Amino acid sequence: KQEVTQIPAALSVPEGENLVLNCSFTDSAIYNLQWFRQDPGKGLTSLLLIQSSQREQTSGRLNASLDKSSGRSTLYIAASQPGDSATYLCAVNRDDKIIFGKGTRLHILP
Amino acid sequence: DAGVIQSPRHEVTEMGQEVTLRCKPISGHDYLFWYRQTMMRGLELLIYFNNNVPIDDSGMPEDRFSAKMPNASFSTLKIQPSEPRDSAVYFCASSFVQFEQYFGPGTRLTVT
Repeated sequence: KQEVTQIPAALSVPEGENLVLNCSFTDSAIYNLQWFRQDPGKGLTSLLLIQSSQREQTSGRLNASLDKSSGRSTLYIAASQPGDSATYLCAVNRDDKIIFGKGTRLHILP
Repeated sequence: DAGVIQSPRHEVTEMGQEVTLRCKPISGHDYLFWYRQTMMRGLELLIYFNNNVPIDDSGMPEDRFSAKMPNASFSTLKIQPSEPRDSAVYFCASSFVQFEQYFGPGTRLTVT
């Protein structure tokens, strides 16, 4: 059974710092992996989607990497800003199933 | 497009009552998903539809839950009878490509 883990559950970082969020999954046979952002009281917004054949995807200050063999993905945020404060969730897709991690709650300190 | 629309945004009901959550997907999207989010269990997929047909309902917790999609622009998730442990935020999402989903704002359900 696929399990997705995100550690730490919460993270506080001073504004301007670069940071890395981690996601691990137990079954490497995935179609793709997505990173989402969730603001309080809101739905999820897709940030990046990495296909199983890809190693990374970039969008602006965000870079997501995927290492299927080790069951890991990272989301790198460069030059963090207070507006980056949110919960970040990763999700893996396989066999018509999407499994979410419980997320990392990120707080950027002004 | 207005995005995925869910109603109501908040619902408070008493145990034993019937609850109906509504979703209008983005026009042109073929897939519709219902999720439940709690602090303990995180975000769980309950059921999803493709072209109005339920494809996978293995995430539906029990027979008290049912979902329908009578047409391409409307879906409902019904809980009957509701129980306190059903309290959660319920999200609807839609997509044109299966796993590139757009989420609605959610319905926060509280069952007392």
